[in-house]
Amino acid sequence: NAGVTQTPKFQVLKTGQSMTLQCAQDMNHNSMYWYRQDPGMGLRLIYYSASEGTTDKGEVPNGYNVSRLNKREFSLRLESAAPSQTSVYFCASRSGTGGLGQYFGPGTRLTVT
Amino acid sequence: QQQVKQSPQSLIVQKGGISIINCAYENTAFDYFPWYQQFPGKGPALLIAIRPDVSEKKEGRFTISFNKSAKQFSLHIMDSQPGDSATYFCAARGGSNYKLTFGKGTLLTVNP
Repeated sequence: NAGVTQTPKFQVLKTGQSMTLQCAQDMNHNSMYWYRQDPGMGLRLIYYSASEGTTDKGEVPNGYNVSRLNKREFSLRLESAAPSQTSVYFCASRSGTGGLGQYFGPGTRLTVT
Repeated sequence: QQQVKQSPQSLIVQKGGISIINCAYENTAFDYFPWYQQFPGKGPALLIAIRPDVSEKKEGRFTISFNKSAKQFSLHIMDSQPGDSATYFCAARGGSNYKLTFGKGTLLTVNP
């Protein structure tokens, strides 16, 4: 059981470039989440998917899009990267059938120059 | 608008001491309060959690104390060890789809 996996681990982009962050979970969880973590800001929710086929905005969705490809995979896309999107991105999942805790992946460290 | 306020930002404790981290919330609709532990370069890991109908929950050296009337909850780490050195986040769940609102984190350093 790998839990929640994220790729890539590190990425450097130039302003205006696009990229997709990948997330997969093997726990058969229904709900998946994308957060960003910035120094002194805690974790802020970007987008989430309550179940396969649904997505919804979180606290800081601007500049991002998501796709819930299937039950296992939830990707985050930056269409035109900006320096303000330099951050560490975490994916998380939750059971959804009475499960309360969210389980986090190892993160992707993104730098936009 | 910060819905979960966490203090202190950083904390230094001697080995064997008690570490205490506090959180306060505003939204009375929150119904689940987890704490997460994060080591450098890793994702947050669920440490312990409590529901508001319970005033205290203990798991090993970690205890959550919950004061519903004051809208506050705290994490106590007894007999703190250098291996406990990490960043701790409190969180609160509320609203649709079990979204979590996180505090800004506390960097705990336990000196040997």
